[in-house]
Amino acid sequence: GAVVSQHPSRVICKSGTSVKIECRSLDFQATTMFWYRQFPKQSLMLMATSNEGSKATYEQGVEKDKFLINHASLTLSTLTVTSAHPEDSSFYICSAPLQGEKLFFGSGTQLSVL
Amino acid sequence: GEDVEQSLFLSVREGDSSVINCTYTDSSSTYLYWYKQEPGAGLQLLTYIFSNMDMKQDQRLTVLLNKKDKHLSLRIADTQTGDSAIYFCAETVSGNTPLVFGKGTRLSVIA
Repeated sequence: GAVVSQHPSRVICKSGTSVKIECRSLDFQATTMFWYRQFPKQSLMLMATSNEGSKATYEQGVEKDKFLINHASLTLSTLTVTSAHPEDSSFYICSAPLQGEKLFFGSGTQLSVL
Repeated sequence: GEDVEQSLFLSVREGDSSVINCTYTDSSSTYLYWYKQEPGAGLQLLTYIFSNMDMKQDQRLTVLLNKKDKHLSLRIADTQTGDSAIYFCAETVSGNTPLVFGKGTRLSVIA
C-alpha cells in the first residue's frame, strides 16, 4: 500500500488564488521530504527540500515566496502555490525517505490554473 | 552537476523481455532506483540497488549495475501490456538526499 499520501490529486483554480498541497508520510516519520515538479512528458525537477522544524531549502531558480513550504510535523509537509498563474500549471509530487534508503513518492497533484 | 541519461522510447512484444538502460555520472552514487509512472499518476518504486551490488532480482525484475561504467539496467521478463508506462532511473548519494532523475523511458508493449 501507499506509504506517502498526497492530497489533492487534482486541483483547478483561478489565476491569482493560492493552492495548498499536502504530503503525509503514513506510519513513519520523515524529517525530510522532497518536492518535485514535472512538466508534461518530462522528467522530475527538484524544487525544494522540506525540513521538519526548519526552513526549506530551495533549488536555484525556485521562488521561495511563490512556493511556500511548511514542514510542521514529522509526518506532514505542505506546499502552497501563492498567487497562482497559468505558468504554474504542472504536476507536483512529493517524496519521503523510509528507513533512509527507500524513497517513496506521493501520487502527485495535477494543478491547472485558469 | 550530476546527470542521468536514458533512452526515451522502447517498444517490445508481449511476452518478450524488456531491457531499459541508464547511465549516470556521479561516481559517489550510493543508491540507484527504478520507478514506474503510469499516465496521470505518481511514481511507484519498483526496485533499488546499492552501489556495492552487481545484481538484484525481484520476481520479473532484474537490475544489473556496472559501477565501473556507471551503467544501470532494468530487465523485465515476460513483459505484459500492464507494464506499459514510463520508467525512470534515479540516483542519490544517501537516502536523505534528493534523487537525480533521468528523463524517463516510455515502454510500449505490443500485444
